[in-house]
Amino acid sequence: DVKVTQSSRYLVKRTGEKVFLECVQDMDHENMFWYRQDPGLGLRLIYFSYDVKMKEKGDIPEGYSVSREKKERFSLILESASTNQTSMYLCASSSPGLAIGELFFGEGSRLTVL
Amino acid sequence: QKEVEQDPGPLSVPEGAIVSLNCTYSNSAFQYFMWYRQYSRKGPELLMYTYSSGNKEDGRFTAQVDKSSKYIPLFIRDSQPSDSATYLCAMSERNTGNQFYFGTGTSLTVIP
Repeated sequence: DVKVTQSSRYLVKRTGEKVFLECVQDMDHENMFWYRQDPGLGLRLIYFSYDVKMKEKGDIPEGYSVSREKKERFSLILESASTNQTSMYLCASSSPGLAIGELFFGEGSRLTVL
Repeated sequence: QKEVEQDPGPLSVPEGAIVSLNCTYSNSAFQYFMWYRQYSRKGPELLMYTYSSGNKEDGRFTAQVDKSSKYIPLFIRDSQPSDSATYLCAMSERNTGNQFYFGTGTSLTVIP
């Protein structure tokens, strides 16, 4: 069974803290994504990676950075967390080689910044 | 105007009802259409995928694609309490798996 695993389901951090959100996929997918999901706003793309060490900014990259040192792992970093970064963060992966270019999502990481 | 629009709901129906979930889009370049189901506190999972106009059926679920009207409703027949979830429509221009556009989702509750 295909799997995207997000290491932390729930986190509570303080303003100014550095936050790491980890994501691992076991499907050998080339593409990996970080989205945030907020009520009324839907899913918004933060960053996208199409290969190891490659990344592209999404719609809302400000305040975030990413790291992809291995194909299976994609990390989202909040250098200095702020209250407006309280959200549900979803990691996803996909492969351009698949017949269906669907996204496979993790369970999500709910971050609260106090 | 957002590129992909959905009625936010919440929508509440009795068990056994036929449910219609609406999704419209503005970009005529979209060619691939997906419906995702998201249970509370979970990640979205793919429910339906289609790229051609007309109907695609999978059990109790039917996705309809009307490219001339830019309208892709999802119908659920004989709705069950287990269908209670948020339904997200998504679409892309190419089948390359790297650029997706999502609606904000419609929250559905099926009452036993």
